[in-house]
Amino acid sequence: AQKVTQAQTEISVVEKEDVTLDCVYETRDTTYYLFWYKQPPSGELVFLIRRNSFDEQNEISGRYSWNFQKSTSSFNFTITASQVVDSAVYFCALKNNFGNEKLTFGTGTRLTIIP
Amino acid sequence: EAGVTQSPTHLIKTRGQQATLRCSPISGHTSVYWYQQALGLGLQFLLWYDEGEERNRGNFPPRFSGRQFPNYSSELNVNALELEDSALYLCASSTGGPSQNEQFFGPGTRLTVL
Repeated sequence: AQKVTQAQTEISVVEKEDVTLDCVYETRDTTYYLFWYKQPPSGELVFLIRRNSFDEQNEISGRYSWNFQKSTSSFNFTITASQVVDSAVYFCALKNNFGNEKLTFGTGTRLTIIP
Repeated sequence: EAGVTQSPTHLIKTRGQQATLRCSPISGHTSVYWYQQALGLGLQFLLWYDEGEERNRGNFPPRFSGRQFPNYSSELNVNALELEDSALYLCASSTGGPSQNEQFFGPGTRLTVL
């Protein structure tokens, strides 16, 4: 069985602060894929990043960075110099390599950036 | 390039009725997925269609069904609506093929059952 845990239900930070969203996953598969999605108030899930289990290289995209650590089954997401537009619910998700295409989502972290 | 589109935006039904939700994938995408986002239950996988066939199904009763048309658009039908079916229903599409492909989501249909 697969499981994704996002222990932080809600986080509030003041604009320009850095913030890290935690994601811990469980899977018995040796090959799997991890994703982060952003859900603004409009409701649409916006794809942010995919990470393959065999690629532990961390990634940076502008103010966003992701830290994938297989040893601790974590895939954390950091926003540097946060902005009000970053306010949203962020979901971490997991998919196996068996072709059933099911995304298993965490419960999400609601991030509020205070101006 | 147009994203995933869904209609209607909002749908209000009464208990026992049927609801039909529609989804058009991104051009070139052959796979369509349906997810339910209900309050307190998070995002749950409902159905996956690829090349017109149902490929996988989540843990939902048979009154949740759907189909995929030759143009790859899809319908989700919910029969005998219950109050707990009230939720945001999200459709996603992907190019199919390798499991690593990301799914791109539409804006959702908010279903309210009274």
